[in-house]
Amino acid sequence: EPEVTQTPSHQVTQMGQEVILRCVPISNHLYFYWYRQILGQKVEFLVSFYNNEISEKSEIFDDQFSVERPDGSNFTLKIRSTKLEDSAMYFCASSLRLSSSTDTQYFGPGTRLTVL
Amino acid sequence: DAKTTQPPSMDCAEGRAANLPCNHSTISGNEYVYWYRQIHSQGPQYIIHGLKNNETNEMASLIITEDRKSSTLILPHATLRDTAVYYCIVRETGTASKLTFGTGTRLQVTL
Repeated sequence: EPEVTQTPSHQVTQMGQEVILRCVPISNHLYFYWYRQILGQKVEFLVSFYNNEISEKSEIFDDQFSVERPDGSNFTLKIRSTKLEDSAMYFCASSLRLSSSTDTQYFGPGTRLTVL
Repeated sequence: DAKTTQPPSMDCAEGRAANLPCNHSTISGNEYVYWYRQIHSQGPQYIIHGLKNNETNEMASLIITEDRKSSTLILPHATLRDTAVYYCIVRETGTASKLTFGTGTRLQVTL
């Protein structure tokens, strides 16, 4: 069964450093998403992406964040200058969305980002 | 903010049916009800969704009331591996809209 994959599973970085989190969505999916979950808190939406453009972003997704689909398979989230409060699990998701009935988002296993 | 209300926790004996309720009294006509679960800190796992009819798949059944203001997720024979946080999410169709997670119901399946 196709699945969303994410690398690395755990990333440790120093405050102020840039990190890139990578995702490989399900191959025929067209819509891509990033969410995050700070330890003990809710899963929060960050950004959605379609046709090489951001469709929607949350207040969390400020100028420090960017997303890119550099090739036909990868979808990346870059944090330019990490802060302590960026420490969280980051989940990538994708959906096919040919119609409202095929709009289900499927999530990857997540990347745990630890900012020291 | 999440448009759903769920009990914070529930217990279920292994082998029994787990019935997880969700209130979504402000749901509108073009909104689906989605259920996901999250085991430990793993990625949310899709379970089932529906608009107004009851739905069943290999994982669960979804019962939506006629007025659509509430729903129940049924795991027919719960196992220890079903221990997780279950999220009921109301989501608008017609756009590639985000999922807004609440705090969910923590289901503990016991021997």
